Amino acid sequence: EAGVAQSPRYKIIEKRQSVAFWCNPISGHATLYWYQQILGQGPKLLIQFQNNGVVDDSQLPKDRFSAERLKGVDSTLKIQPAKLEDSAVYLCASSLRLGGLAGAEQYFGPGTRLTVT
Amino acid sequence: RKEVEQDPGPFNVPEGATVAFNCTYSNSASQSFFWYRQDCRKEPKLLMSVYSSGNEDGRFTAQLNRASQYISLLIRDSKLSDSATYLCVVNAGSGAGSYQLTFGKGTKLSVIP
Repeated sequence: EAGVAQSPRYKIIEKRQSVAFWCNPISGHATLYWYQQILGQGPKLLIQFQNNGVVDDSQLPKDRFSAERLKGVDSTLKIQPAKLEDSAVYLCASSLRLGGLAGAEQYFGPGTRLTVT
Repeated sequence: RKEVEQDPGPFNVPEGATVAFNCTYSNSASQSFFWYRQDCRKEPKLLMSVYSSGNEDGRFTAQLNRASQYISLLIRDSKLSDSATYLCVVNAGSGAGSYQLTFGKGTKLSVIP
């Protein structure tokens, strides 16, 4: 079974530039999550989709971050404009569905390591 | 008080040792709990769920104490391959069956030959 795919794996940009990350979840997984993991910390949930609808975006800095999952499959996360403190690994995860035991197990992609200079 | 708190370690233990990690959480309404494992520069992976009655999976035992709001993970007979960061994870989802995972910062374990 193919895992969660993410691209690019690494990105270096200057502050105030824009950047976009792409995620393709495991086939058939209805729920998709974007996390931000700053060095030395645990992943922090940014946004959660169920199919193409947003379930929770309460921790997404909406003044600069946006995300979409238009067809209920792959998703993009955008930062515009980037700040130095956005340097982190951006992890995408998916689960079979939102609730139940299947919802508990989230499968993570390899992440995109963003450096803002 | 932080939502999910863990001792960052590192815990340096010899092969074959038994090691235990604790984690405390602040939201008393939290309904489900997990331990994830994260290898260096890799993505987190689910290690085990934590059930109210406690559960065991091979050398790993997880326990939950709702009254004191803490979760523990015990690793027996440590292997070199157990070296990783162990993330305590709490489901803060508000709806029945919904999942909004809150991760702790993780506890780093190094198993030494």
